[in-house]
Amino acid sequence: DAGITQSPRHKVTETGTPVTLRCHQTENHRYMYWYRQDPGHGLRLIHYSYGVKDTDKGEVSDGYSVSRSKTEDFLLTLESATSSQTSVYFCAISESGNTETQYFGPGTRLLVL
Amino acid sequence: QKEVEQNSGPLSVPEGAIASLNCTYSDRGSQSFFWYRQYSGKSPELIMFIYSNGDKEDGRFTAQLNKASQYVSLLIRDSQPSDSATYLCAVYGTPLVFGKGTRLSVIA
Repeated sequence: DAGITQSPRHKVTETGTPVTLRCHQTENHRYMYWYRQDPGHGLRLIHYSYGVKDTDKGEVSDGYSVSRSKTEDFLLTLESATSSQTSVYFCAISESGNTETQYFGPGTRLLVL
Repeated sequence: QKEVEQNSGPLSVPEGAIASLNCTYSDRGSQSFFWYRQYSGKSPELIMFIYSNGDKEDGRFTAQLNKASQYVSLLIRDSQPSDSATYLCAVYGTPLVFGKGTRLSVIA
């Protein structure tokens, strides 16, 4: 158990509203990631962080922003949610010194109406 | 754009048989390869990683890597119904690039 929690676990929202998803880790890992998973597309990287205030874009970053003000928390924000952002969102972490092996949180299921 | 290809399945095998899951990748320079298992409605769970050509065994699981052919596979011996899941292949590419997964169904 990599000590990763995500909140909320489920959310229903309306188009145009802002949404923030939280990933929290208890193991002080340096690297954190946000993915979305959709049928037919698999896991796609949205953003990742390699330290406090250090973030970079992934494959599908448009419409998303992230922040990491503390080692343990990585926030994903949908500034104005759209129906195409309906998905399951997974946070992942890499243990310090082993950037390649990732461990996943339980996921957040988001429905944008 | 680095790519990882997997047959989506479903791959159906009888209980007790060997399940063979395959993955190809596009970047010849890739060095690290991972297999994740994902049960329906759950998050991906790391089951194997392999860095060197050849075989790596862990219990009923064997990962096989052939860098010359850009091919990595996962064998599951003595398949059980509890192995029924989607198996994701991932290749390290700053950071990981995932395949879309192969759905395995083990029939009792």
